[in-house]
Amino acid sequence: QQQVKQSPQSLIVQKGGISIINCAYENTAFDYFPWYQQFPGKGPALLIAIRPDVSEKKEGRFTISFNKSAKQFSLHIMDSQPGDSATYFCAASVNTGFQKLVFGTGTRLLVSP
Amino acid sequence: DGGITQSPKYLFRKEGQNVTLSCEQNLNHDAMYWYRQDPGQGLRLIYYSQIVNDFQKGDIAEGYSVSREKKESFPLTVTSAQKNPTAFYLCASSRTTGTPRANTEAFFGQGTRLTVV
Repeated sequence: QQQVKQSPQSLIVQKGGISIINCAYENTAFDYFPWYQQFPGKGPALLIAIRPDVSEKKEGRFTISFNKSAKQFSLHIMDSQPGDSATYFCAASVNTGFQKLVFGTGTRLLVSP
Repeated sequence: DGGITQSPKYLFRKEGQNVTLSCEQNLNHDAMYWYRQDPGQGLRLIYYSQIVNDFQKGDIAEGYSVSREKKESFPLTVTSAQKNPTAFYLCASSRTTGTPRANTEAFFGQGTRLTVV
């Protein structure tokens, strides 16, 4: 119930291509879905987040698509750049006023030049 | 600059030793968290605290202890009871407005890599 399943585990995309990472959840009480970006040896940083009252949120080259009925959400990185090479984590929480986040297992993205 | 400071960056522990990881924040956040990161397993919650002098166990609290005597500080002790302590430990903090759907983004520190030698 508390798990967030993330795929793929790793992804290689050519520069300029679209990177897509998918996540699925079971707990229908989750109402906050952030994506975090982590570079080697660093802590994760919030990239973009969505709440279930919208189906899509776009910030620059990053878009979250959310399908409430399927309990799935995905991150799309348009025009992928080598600087986007990092590990990406989806997460979910019941937003009761603080962030007790449940994380996916991560996707290591490599954007080839 | 506001942020979360974890120290040390690297820590080596001998078998049977307790070690304490430091986490300090100057973001005036009420809530603080400790996560453990292992390859292929994402981040797992160890302990969290919503207010000073109060904390709760997360999903993998066995072998760990925490204290929250000050709002700014949330140290984590890895005890000798933790059988597999080698991991990357991340501290985070967030606001707790008490209002659902408020902006309560979690900010992470740079992590401490603990290795048992």
